[in-house]
Amino acid sequence: KQEVTQIPAALSVPEGENLVLNCSFTDSAIYNLQWFRQDPGKGLTSLLLIQSSQREQTSGRLNASLDKSSGRSTLYIAASQPGDSATYLCAVRPISGGYQKVTFGIGTKLQVIP
Amino acid sequence: GAVVSQHPSRVICKSGTSVKIECRSLDFQATTMFWYRQFPKQSLMLMATSNEGSKATYEQGVEKDKFLINHASLTLSTLTVTSAHPEDSSFYICSARIGGRAGGNEQFFGPGTRLTVL
Repeated sequence: KQEVTQIPAALSVPEGENLVLNCSFTDSAIYNLQWFRQDPGKGLTSLLLIQSSQREQTSGRLNASLDKSSGRSTLYIAASQPGDSATYLCAVRPISGGYQKVTFGIGTKLQVIP
Repeated sequence: GAVVSQHPSRVICKSGTSVKIECRSLDFQATTMFWYRQFPKQSLMLMATSNEGSKATYEQGVEKDKFLINHASLTLSTLTVTSAHPEDSSFYICSARIGGRAGGNEQFFGPGTRLTVL
């Protein structure tokens, strides 16, 4: 059974700082990995999706990397802003089983202090 | 990007009543939609997969007679929580994927519905 762990559970940083969020998974037989943002009481907004054959994806100030063999992904946020404050979730889709078998982490709650 | 809406965003009801939550894909057709439940400080847990024109597939431990799912069209799926109890209070989120080869690999999530059962 796939397990997805996100460390740290919570993070507080001053505005402007670069930061890294971590996601680890136990089964490396993945189809893709996706990073989401969730604001309090809201749904999920997709940030980046990395296919299993890819090493990284970039979108603006965000960069996600994937090391499938070690079961790790990182989300790098450059020059953090107060508007980045949210909970960040990673989700892993396995090779077999489709979307029904996507496993989500609990998330890292980020607070960027002005 | 594709947009998924949910209605209502928040509902408070008395124990024993039934509550219907709608999930709509606004600018695309979704042959498959997914219903998740999220308890505080826990990860999203898939409840069921809703397939247009056929019966939903429920995950282990989810009571299909309690959580009724209907996917009558390519843009609408509904989740009805029947005879709701306080332990059903949770955040319910739906997601959808674009059908066919052009659909890609992304899931698009709705904004969620906060259900509080008194």
